[in-house]
Amino acid sequence: SQELEQSPQSLIVQEGKNLTINCTSSKTLYGLYWYKQKYGEGLIFLMMLQKGGEEKSHEKITAKLDEKKQQSSLHITASQPSHAGIYLCGGRGSQGNLIFGKGTKLSVKP
Amino acid sequence: GAGVSQSPSNKVTEKGKDVELRCDPISGHTALYWYRQSLGQGLEFLIYFQGNSAPDKSGLPSDRFSAERTGGSVSTLTIQRTQQEDSAVYLCASSLRLAGGHAAQYFGPGTRLTVL
Repeated sequence: SQELEQSPQSLIVQEGKNLTINCTSSKTLYGLYWYKQKYGEGLIFLMMLQKGGEEKSHEKITAKLDEKKQQSSLHITASQPSHAGIYLCGGRGSQGNLIFGKGTKLSVKP
Repeated sequence: GAGVSQSPSNKVTEKGKDVELRCDPISGHTALYWYRQSLGQGLEFLIYFQGNSAPDKSGLPSDRFSAERTGGSVSTLTIQRTQQEDSAVYLCASSLRLAGGHAAQYFGPGTRLTVL
């Protein structure tokens, strides 16, 4: 079965710094989804990437998909305390469900 | 517009009791998914509905778990004879069912279930 591995598991950065979170799949990716979760809340949809080489940006967050490497990266520019949370990547399973990585916990120090 | 809603937000129950969790998807979303998030386990897929039917129930952890969806809208997840290992946050998501299957899933806030 497909597995997604995220790195790092946790990250502490100073406000204003850039950071990158990686997601690697054990199998070919047919679509990759990024979500953010704050403690005790549901998942907030960030971005969906469908094609190799695709890159999407929203505000200060950019995600890229490298299908050949079965990898995706999420890059945050000039991090802010509001970026803190758990970032989850998900790949599509056989029923259209999402198979998630274990998440990357991001803390941003003011 | 209204997002996915779930009720109750929190449920504390005694071992052996039955519980029912409810999910109201985004209006017009034909696909509905249930997931479970346990401490240290990550997010686990339980079951998927397309309209009112669930093609594959093999993701449900045991036969104590069942789910139904009526009218292509509201879904309920029922856990019978709850056990302590059922304690988790149960998340519901809905999406449009697009050609090719690529559609964003939008999640509800979850129901935190605690089995004493």
